[in-house]
Amino acid sequence: RKEVEQDPGPFNVPEGATVAFNCTYSNSASQSFFWYRQDCRKEPKLLMSVYSSGNEDGRFTAQLNRASQYISLLIRDSKLSDSATYLCAGSSGGYNKLIFGAGTRLAVHP
Amino acid sequence: DGGITQSPKYLFRKEGQNVTLSCEQNLNHDAMYWYRQDPGQGLRLIYYSQIVNDFQKGDIAEGYSVSREKKESFPLTVTSAQKNPTAFYLCASSGRVPPPDSPLHFGNGTRLTVT
Repeated sequence: RKEVEQDPGPFNVPEGATVAFNCTYSNSASQSFFWYRQDCRKEPKLLMSVYSSGNEDGRFTAQLNRASQYISLLIRDSKLSDSATYLCAGSSGGYNKLIFGAGTRLAVHP
Repeated sequence: DGGITQSPKYLFRKEGQNVTLSCEQNLNHDAMYWYRQDPGQGLRLIYYSQIVNDFQKGDIAEGYSVSREKKESFPLTVTSAQKNPTAFYLCASSGRVPPPDSPLHFGNGTRLTVT
């Protein structure tokens, strides 16, 4: 079983839709979690950290469920520019060693 | 501007040749990392270094070597022993603070093609 797993998608949604991605992790000792956005043939860029109490940044909301060992990302009012691959990452085996999921592809259409 | 610079952006090599990928950061970060990404796959950790003159193997270190002689620099050598070297290589760094305030920041990557 992979340490961090994501549904690869693609998620095809119309502009304005709300879409949610989940990411499960197997290492119960993981402490830190992040969502990254990766555009085609580019490097991943940090979208947001995921805090235990949940956190929001504009249209984006991240949640952590330690009991069920998953994190989620909710995108409200999707824009065409949100089309990208979203990678989740969790710490493993010590600080700042991050394990990444394979990514979930989002395609927002007019 | 502070950042992580990887060079070159594209690299082509013949099979059997060693090749070194450059990664330099001016963020004053202690920790640096090398990841590899294959099409449709996530990032896999090759090597990481938390301090100068020290580094650890990641999940797929075979066929790779690194050095960390300076805080700013963490070059990766892809040796001829690496069976499938063609991939997108990403270097990253992070500060030496407890998570979750120290996510990784990535360079813009090097695409290596070996034929």
